[in-house]
Amino acid sequence: EPEVTQTPSHQVTQMGQEVILRCVPISNHLYFYWYRQILGQKVEFLVSFYNNEISEKSEIFDDQFSVERPDGSNFTLKIRSTKLEDSAMYFCASLGRAHGYTFGSGTRLTVV
Amino acid sequence: GIQVEQSPPDLILQEGANSTLRCNFSDSVNNLQWFHQNPWGQLINLFYIPSGTKQNGRLSATTVATERYSLLYISSSQTTDSGVYFCAVHSGTYKYIFGTGTRLKVLA
Repeated sequence: EPEVTQTPSHQVTQMGQEVILRCVPISNHLYFYWYRQILGQKVEFLVSFYNNEISEKSEIFDDQFSVERPDGSNFTLKIRSTKLEDSAMYFCASLGRAHGYTFGSGTRLTVV
Repeated sequence: GIQVEQSPPDLILQEGANSTLRCNFSDSVNNLQWFHQNPWGQLINLFYIPSGTKQNGRLSATTVATERYSLLYISSSQTTDSGVYFCAVHSGTYKYIFGTGTRLKVLA
């Protein structure tokens, strides 16, 4: 079964540092997403990406966040200057017509 | 926006017991999925079920879109069923709204 692959699985970073979270969506999917989950809370939408541009973003997705699909296979989420409250599990997902969302296994980001 | 409520919030079962998890949503939806978040934090797709009934082994799900609810049935529960169960819906845009989850613990 096709998978969405995320790297790294866990990242620890100093407050104020930039981080890039990487995802390889399922190859024939067209819609890509980032979600996050603060420990013990529900999963929250960050941004959706279609046809090489952002199609929708939440109020969480401020100027510190950006997404990119640099080479047609990878899909990245960049946080420019991390804050303590950015500590969360970040999930990438891609959307297929018949099966709905497929989520990656997540990147646990810890900001210290 | 759409509100998604799940019940019960917490559930403790003895191994072998059956359970029903409920997801209510406040408006009509185009799609609905059930996910299991395992103890390692991974979100596992259980069912893509905008309407009707589906079964996969010990798990089955029913969505009654006209009445704005979905049910997830777990039969003969096992300790590996422990974790958090989320339903997620979307309407109009492709953004999924997640419920608050049902935390299930199955005791050996």
